[in-house]
Amino acid sequence: GAGVSQTPSNKVTEKGKYVELRCDPISGHTALYWYRQSLGQGPEFLIYFQGTGAADDSGLPNDRFFAVRPEGSVSTLKIQRTERGDSAVYLCASSLLGSGNTIYFGEGSWLTVV
Amino acid sequence: RKEVEQDPGPFNVPEGATVAFNCTYSNSASQSFFWYRQDCRKEPKLLMSVYSSGNEDGRFTAQLNRASQYISLLIRDSKLSDSATYLCVVANTGNQFYFGTGTSLTVIP
Repeated sequence: GAGVSQTPSNKVTEKGKYVELRCDPISGHTALYWYRQSLGQGPEFLIYFQGTGAADDSGLPNDRFFAVRPEGSVSTLKIQRTERGDSAVYLCASSLLGSGNTIYFGEGSWLTVV
Repeated sequence: RKEVEQDPGPFNVPEGATVAFNCTYSNSASQSFFWYRQDCRKEPKLLMSVYSSGNEDGRFTAQLNRASQYISLLIRDSKLSDSATYLCVVANTGNQFYFGTGTSLTVIP
């Protein structure tokens, strides 16, 4: 497809379980971003990839969160030992590198931890 | 201090009204500025980029004041379809994008 694709669109999991969220960026976009958004808040930065490497992972809240992008395209956000406070929509975005380029979002993965 | 600060509103305005949103940013070295629109339970979508000279797109006008580090969005002749959350976005030299909390707008018939 032409846009950013995220799967699953919805995920309900039990507290303590492991979750993987996948993002397929727009073809040719080198930069990939993960954000988390809770109700009534703006998107909160988690991690940013340039190619295969994480250029900035300062937004990951703790070591239960990890993300990879092994081939510089698809990325997976991994959450271990999920907690109820992890419930949010996880948004992936991609862009071309360079000043002034905008980022384009996928529809998000809605995670609910029960 | 947050990178980007916005008044969350809500703003409730009648159809046809003019409404303005402001946002401030903390990093004076920020490079690029945008307004995004987000509908309920949808992803944010680019509304417009913001340039130092100011720019207009139909009923929407965006302004940037680098000296005071604020960005504004003006919506003229509001339509019901303008009801949404408007997110102020600032990008730094490292290609990182920071979002405000968003300003909620409801246009009332």
